[in-house]
Amino acid sequence: KQEVTQIPAALSVPEGENLVLNCSFTDSAIYNLQWFRQDPGKGLTSLLLIQSSQREQTSGRLNASLDKSSGRSTLYIAASQPGDSATYLCAVNSGNTPLVFGKGTRLSVIA
Amino acid sequence: ETGVTQSPTHLIKTRGQQVTLRCSSQSGHNTVSWYQQALGQGPQFIFQYYREEENGRGNFPPRFSGLQFPNYSSELNVNALELDDSALYLCASSLEGGRTGNTIYFGEGSWLTVV
Repeated sequence: KQEVTQIPAALSVPEGENLVLNCSFTDSAIYNLQWFRQDPGKGLTSLLLIQSSQREQTSGRLNASLDKSSGRSTLYIAASQPGDSATYLCAVNSGNTPLVFGKGTRLSVIA
Repeated sequence: ETGVTQSPTHLIKTRGQQVTLRCSSQSGHNTVSWYQQALGQGPQFIFQYYREEENGRGNFPPRFSGLQFPNYSSELNVNALELDDSALYLCASSLEGGRTGNTIYFGEGSWLTVV
């Protein structure tokens, strides 16, 4: 059974810092890994999708990497801003299986 | 803007009642999945519909049921509501069930409170 773990559970950083969020999964036979952002009381916004054959994806100040063999992914946020404050969720799936989520990392960027 | 819309956004029900939540998937997406998210937890998979057929179900009792219509919109029905059903219910749409390279898009969710 696939399990996804996200560390740390919460993180508080001053504005401008670069930061890394971690995600690990127990079964390396994945098709996709997807990072989401969730604002309080809201739905999920897809940030980045990494296919199993890829090593990383970039979008603006965000960079996500995937090491499938070790079951790890990282989300790097450069030059953090208060608007980046949210919960970040990592999820994996295998083919037509549902997404399995971690519990998320709650990020606070202090101005 | 993900193109996935859910209704209602908030609702309050009494224990024992029934509720129907609705989802319109992104245009062209033939797969809809429903997730339950309790406070402080990651979303948990309820079930998935692909071309109007249920093709996957999580660890939820039969009082959780659903439908997918020919236009690929979907409903989630919950009977005999319990207090623990209070949660954010998320609908997700994708093309071909989120196979390799297919992004899965979520709606804003429906907040259900059972009192």
